[in-house]
Amino acid sequence: EIVLTQSPGTLSLSPGERATLSCRASQSVSSNYLTWYQQKPGQAPRLLIYGASSRATGIPDRFSGSGSGTDFTLTISRLEPEDSAVYYCQQYGSSPLITFGPGTKVDIK
Amino acid sequence: QVQLQQSGPGLVKPSQSLSLTCAISGDSVSSNSATWNWIRQSPSRGLEWLGRTYCRSKCYNDYAVSVKSRITINPDTSKNQFSLQLSSVTPEDTAVYYCARASDWGRVVDYWGQGTLVTVSS
Repeated sequence: EIVLTQSPGTLSLSPGERATLSCRASQSVSSNYLTWYQQKPGQAPRLLIYGASSRATGIPDRFSGSGSGTDFTLTISRLEPEDSAVYYCQQYGSSPLITFGPGTKVDIK
Repeated sequence: QVQLQQSGPGLVKPSQSLSLTCAISGDSVSSNSATWNWIRQSPSRGLEWLGRTYCRSKCYNDYAVSVKSRITINPDTSKNQFSLQLSSVTPEDTAVYYCARASDWGRVVDYWGQGTLVTVSS
């Protein structure tokens, strides 16, 4: 089973700052199979980035993804107040077919 | 626009079965490239994928090992929906349950239902 680890657990930043979120896999993950989601309280997760670096429809270009192998990064270039949320990475392909990381909480001061 | 509408009880007694249904609009449970998934979320277990169904020339299921002995996911092509049954529930099964579509041959979960909080308690 591939285990995803996310760091930091919580990130507290000011509007306009840059956020860098890490997702590390216990085994190599195909870049095609690494996805990022945003979840706000009381809501279902929302698709942000798929294929490690492709933005989903309607996602602002301040969100970007990168990485390969076992190390992946989600970057929010200029934080907006509405970016306050928990961000999850997810991999596909290894049993179980879909696994999620534990999440990084982004607080906007 | 794909929409997933969940229904089912929010309270289940221990040892009984949990049953939820997810009605699909804007797509088909028989879609050639999508899979239809159940995912749950709890503070202790985080986001946990439970299983999926998908229909090509016939319908198939895949289940997480952690629930494989207790779970059934059924597609209903006549009603364009799919369902979850989880048997012999315990308080550990208390969670928000989501139905979800995964596109790109099941790799990317792009649409989610609204979520149902299911509490297992007597």
